[in-house]
Amino acid sequence: GQNIDQPTEMTATEGAIVQINCTYQTSGFNGLFWYQQHAGEAPTFLSYNVLDGLEEKGRFSSFLSRSKGYSYLLLKELQMKDSASYLCAAFSGGYNKLIFGAGTRLAVHP
Amino acid sequence: DGGITQSPKYLFRKEGQNVTLSCEQNLNHDAMYWYRQDPGQGLRLIYYSQIVNDFQKGDIAEGYSVSREKKESFPLTVTSAQKNPTAFYLCASRRGLAGGSSYNEQFFGPGTRLTVL
Repeated sequence: GQNIDQPTEMTATEGAIVQINCTYQTSGFNGLFWYQQHAGEAPTFLSYNVLDGLEEKGRFSSFLSRSKGYSYLLLKELQMKDSASYLCAAFSGGYNKLIFGAGTRLAVHP
Repeated sequence: DGGITQSPKYLFRKEGQNVTLSCEQNLNHDAMYWYRQDPGQGLRLIYYSQIVNDFQKGDIAEGYSVSREKKESFPLTVTSAQKNPTAFYLCASRRGLAGGSSYNEQFFGPGTRLTVL
């Protein structure tokens, strides 16, 4: 089957670090995406991992372990504008489509 | 500027009417996708198309129809058979059918919020 799991909600404090976890089961897995979505807007691309390891991009980093079917998104130096939903999505090469998780709503408080 | 356009941004229709949502891309992408998003929920795949004149049902295709007569366009019709059509509809496109990592990223349009009265 195809399944993506991520926490429904998280809260964090401005300036802190937060880690959003994602586990997946996808046939023909060929990469893991993270998107950010503010309320009422379209998702925007954050990161893509296809090989094991950590990819760093400014305040955001993403990690992938293919053997464990696990990824995380790490957000550092949190800002209020980081309050959004974060969508984990696995690319299924067998079906040529992205399988999305339900999203994690992150609330950043002062 | 290359991108994906969806129109209109907000759409209101009476119950029982069919409505067509437009999606156009000038990125020369092969694959296009339609998703539905309900409040507080993730994205659910309605239909997708990997090449012109071909499309496949996604996870929630009932009550929807699509066409792919041109590479640039992938309109979605919400029919009266769709029981709960009020939702946020997102169109996306992807560069290629296979290849390196750059072929797998999906780009999203701004979305159409459909409200059925």
